Amino acid sequence: GDSVTQTEGLVTLTKGLPVMLNCTYQTTYSPFLFWYVQHLNEAPKLLLKSSTDNKRTEHQGFYATLHKSSSSFHLQKSSVQLSDSALYFCALNSGTYQRFGTGTKLQVVP
Amino acid sequence: GGIITQTPKFLIGQEGQKLTLKCQQNFNHDTMYWYRQDSGKGLRLIYYSITENDLQKGDLSEGYDASREKKSSFSLTVTSAQKNEMAVFLCASSGTGRAETLYFGSGTRLTVL
Repeated sequence: GDSVTQTEGLVTLTKGLPVMLNCTYQTTYSPFLFWYVQHLNEAPKLLLKSSTDNKRTEHQGFYATLHKSSSSFHLQKSSVQLSDSALYFCALNSGTYQRFGTGTKLQVVP
Repeated sequence: GGIITQTPKFLIGQEGQKLTLKCQQNFNHDTMYWYRQDSGKGLRLIYYSITENDLQKGDLSEGYDASREKKSSFSLTVTSAQKNEMAVFLCASSGTGRAETLYFGSGTRLTVL
């Protein structure tokens, strides 16, 4: 069946450094990928989404490129800020509903 | 814009108790969802509904019932609360289609004593 894998449970970085959060997926159908961000005690909200192969999608300084050849949709930012500390979820919709990964907690320190 | 309202925000129950969580949305979305959030396990789908009176099981439906009597509301019942269970239940809604964004409520935090 369909699945989403996020390999890092916790990523701790110093402010100003670049970050990449990994997301890979498995499906036999055409994928639509999403990244959601959840700040402490808040609801998850959409960060960005894509179904277009090899096209970079950007929002609020974050970007991701869907690579169907490697089944990946990694989230990146060139310079993290303290306010980026949050839980990040990758999700896949291949036809019925969105299936989520286990999430990566990003902790940015001064 | 719109909002998703979940009640209650905190729910404390006893083992074996039947507990009901409620969700209202004013986006006028057709599809509504219940996800369970556990630390380290991400969000897992319990039930979803594509229209009024429709129910579809997710990956985690065992031990739960759901009800969609109106387009704007979707309730979830824990049929028999498990001792020491702790989780956050998130309600979401979306338009129809694979590209549609999920809009989430702030969650109901369940603790079972």
